[in-house]
Amino acid sequence: DGGITQSPKYLFRKEGQNVTLSCEQNLNHDAMYWYRQDPGQGLRLIYYSQIVNDFQKGDIAEGYSVSREKKESFPLTVTSAQKNPTAFYLCASSPQAGTAYFGSGTRLTVV
Amino acid sequence: QKEVEQNSGPLSVPEGAIASLNCTYSDRGSQSFFWYRQYSGKSPELIMFIYSNGDKEDGRFTAQLNKASQYVSLLIRDSQPSDSATYLCAVNGPGTYKYIFGTGTRLKVLA
Repeated sequence: DGGITQSPKYLFRKEGQNVTLSCEQNLNHDAMYWYRQDPGQGLRLIYYSQIVNDFQKGDIAEGYSVSREKKESFPLTVTSAQKNPTAFYLCASSPQAGTAYFGSGTRLTVV
Repeated sequence: QKEVEQNSGPLSVPEGAIASLNCTYSDRGSQSFFWYRQYSGKSPELIMFIYSNGDKEDGRFTAQLNKASQYVSLLIRDSQPSDSATYLCAVNGPGTYKYIFGTGTRLKVLA
């Protein structure tokens, strides 16, 4: 099955803890993205990557970090510097010029 | 000024009616336009994309693009209760992988 796999589906973070959200795609897409969605809100871009070993900050990158060591994988780390991380996190991928497709999302909650 | 604007709704239409969803964008250089549907608690799924001025039809859905007026719309004919969801408009500019999303319009189809 081709697609984008995000894990885990639900994640709980304690105060001061770093957590990493996984995103893997087997669509052979060049570009990958991370978005954050808060209740009743639209999607806000955290980071995106157009090619391996390169990525750019989006609109709300503070408190987050990413890596792109493989074309298939684009993990997102939510660091302790992100003071309000509770949200729905969506990973997407797209070919060079085309449509973005989304994974099923990870719901992160601070406990 | 927001880059992509949508009326948050809710837009309520009776079953069988035409639902009309609108989106305006600020960047005149935008080239690609997308409509996504998002059910509550789920990730966005692509409905349609449009690149050229005019109408594009796919089943019960019609996307309309007017670059001169900087708006894109989505018409849903014969609306069904299963169409009740939030509809996100997204815009992509030339030479960029960055997709800008509106905050979405919530559609309620009344049985």
